[in-house]
Amino acid sequence: KNQVEQSPQSLIILEGKNCTLQCNYTVSPFSNLRWYKQDTGRGPVSLTIMTFSENTKSNGRYTATLDADTKQSSLHITASQLSDSASYICVVSTADYGGSQGNLIFGKGTKLSVKP
Amino acid sequence: DSGVTQTPKHLITATGQRVTLRCSPRSGDLSVYWYQQSLDQGLQFLIQYYNGEERAKGNILERFSAQQFPDLHSELNLSSLELGDSALYFCASSATGVLYNEQFFGPGTRLTVL
Repeated sequence: KNQVEQSPQSLIILEGKNCTLQCNYTVSPFSNLRWYKQDTGRGPVSLTIMTFSENTKSNGRYTATLDADTKQSSLHITASQLSDSASYICVVSTADYGGSQGNLIFGKGTKLSVKP
Repeated sequence: DSGVTQTPKHLITATGQRVTLRCSPRSGDLSVYWYQQSLDQGLQFLIQYYNGEERAKGNILERFSAQQFPDLHSELNLSSLELGDSALYFCASSATGVLYNEQFFGPGTRLTVL
């Protein structure tokens, strides 16, 4: 069964500190992995996307890594700010083969709270 | 502001009823996606339409249906509503029909079924 598991479920850190969020997936056939940031009550916004051959992708203070062998990804946030408080969602796409349109499998997200 | 609009913002209805949620994609985007987000399940992909045609299907119930009109706006119809259908419903759009292209999400419609 295609699944995406994220950890931790929630995290509290102090402003200025770094943190790392984890995403493990059992999705086949794999197409790509995307991290979204979702502020409370709002729609998700894409942070990074990585294909099978990419190990690292950065977007400002956000750096995502992908290990396709172990089927793990992480999102590292450096020098956290109060505005980083949000849910971070890992999404894995299955490949589009032979007429099948593929699918999107979402993790349940990690809720990050950055405190002053 | 993503450029994707959804109406209404909030909807309160009773079990057994039918509702319609509306979505207008970003200008120029041909694909529309629908998602359900409940507290315990996270975001779930329901369905994708591309240029008026159904393109991909996720975990959409048979009681739910969607369509995309010639002007590219989309509607999600939810019928025989149950308490468990209470959730945030998001619409997203993207430029092409490729499922994993960047999607831009609307502000969502919060549905409460009493």
